[in-house]
Amino acid sequence: GQQLNQSPQSMFIQEGEDVSMNCTSSSIFNTWLWYKQDPGEGPVLLIALYKAGELTSNGRLTAQFGITRKDSFLNISASIPSDVGIYFCAGQGGNAGGTSYGKLTFGQGTILTVHP
Amino acid sequence: GAGVSQSPRYKVAKRGQDVALRCDPISGHVSLFWYQQALGQGPEFLTYFQNEAQLDKSGLPSDRFFAERPEGSVSTLKIQRTQQEDSAVYLCASSFYSGRAYNEQFFGPGTRLTVL
Repeated sequence: GQQLNQSPQSMFIQEGEDVSMNCTSSSIFNTWLWYKQDPGEGPVLLIALYKAGELTSNGRLTAQFGITRKDSFLNISASIPSDVGIYFCAGQGGNAGGTSYGKLTFGQGTILTVHP
Repeated sequence: GAGVSQSPRYKVAKRGQDVALRCDPISGHVSLFWYQQALGQGPEFLTYFQNEAQLDKSGLPSDRFFAERPEGSVSTLKIQRTQQEDSAVYLCASSFYSGRAYNEQFFGPGTRLTVL
């Protein structure tokens, strides 16, 4: 099935460093979302973006909805050990077989490891 | 409970066995989604219910996969004659459908299915 292209696949950083990851698609989406998944748990929503060009922050997290509606990035500033996990981008709606009920298309994930 | 629950959390099946995976969505949530997450990948859409109606089953990989939600609350995903490629985490998500294009999907912890 279709998945978004997410990079990097993994990151190893020191506590306090900033992190950036991005996601691209060949299809347009109406909404971009970023999730975090801890081992043995389901994904949890971090940030939702609704408009092309939108820049949204949630604490140390900042995400942007690309102007072409085909890409998004997520930045994490001043990383801490509890940021460890797998981060997923997801697109919803648009011309990628989008529907009014909002099924999600996910990226492959970025595994983040933070060394204290 | 307050969140989406799934049972069992882990299931080991011999190839050829039938399995049934249960999802209890958040009370009052109209929309229910099933996703399949292979190891090292992002979740992939399987099927969608609005109340008891299955409106989209385009992601089901074969006719061995069947889902139901007879009373518009609890849902069951059934896999007949399991094969090794069915091994994955099966995630359930629910949302409050209001007719808008986007409503946050809340994910359960998933059922990890291993087919031997």
